[in-house]
Amino acid sequence: GAVVSQHPSRVICKSGTSVKIECRSLDFQATTMFWYRQFPKKSLMLMATSNEGSKATYEQGVEKDKFLINHASLTLSTLTVTSAHPEDSSFYICSARDSGPYNEQFFGPGTRLTVL
Amino acid sequence: QKEVEQNSGPLSVPEGAIASLNCTYSDRGSQSFFWYRQYSGKSPELIMSIYSNGDKEDGRFTAQLNKASQYVSLLIRDSQPSDSATYLCAVLLNQAGTALIFGKGTTLSVSS
Repeated sequence: GAVVSQHPSRVICKSGTSVKIECRSLDFQATTMFWYRQFPKKSLMLMATSNEGSKATYEQGVEKDKFLINHASLTLSTLTVTSAHPEDSSFYICSARDSGPYNEQFFGPGTRLTVL
Repeated sequence: QKEVEQNSGPLSVPEGAIASLNCTYSDRGSQSFFWYRQYSGKSPELIMSIYSNGDKEDGRFTAQLNKASQYVSLLIRDSQPSDSATYLCAVLLNQAGTALIFGKGTTLSVSS
């Protein structure tokens, strides 16, 4: 399958700081990328859908001013958690959909964020 | 409300047995169906995709789709302890950039 990378894999930050997470599709172009959050032993929760060159679409209850998403190219989307607080600590996972006939969606390895 | 339902399990099978994972979906317009495997602490990994009625086999995995019954399943033959994970069923409603709808996942435990 296609490869999606995510950086960093793990980050620890102080409360009030901002953290940027990068998601890259390495061997295909992705017009659509998705950002998920997952708490321990819980289901994946879709945060937003990111389309290249346009504004992201956020799911209900997700603050767009807190979780800034930029999809500047067909291979890169970024998620910035602004003014992070301990309750933002979670596992953030991006995914990218290829443009082939089957619209398969591949996940990055995830970023574990811990806010102290 | 478009839903994807899975039995949360845990489903326990002995090594070498067939594990059968089931999934139902509510929207008849769903076009594509996927099975992901997620190990604890890791991100989901796509293991099977299926788009038309019938069976699709890939190694020890077989996906089965029945659109009339709105049912998709995953069979794992010769189950191994390394297959122990949570299996997520996901459905794509259309191809217009919409997100997958995930089930909550079934936890599979294969004992040696």
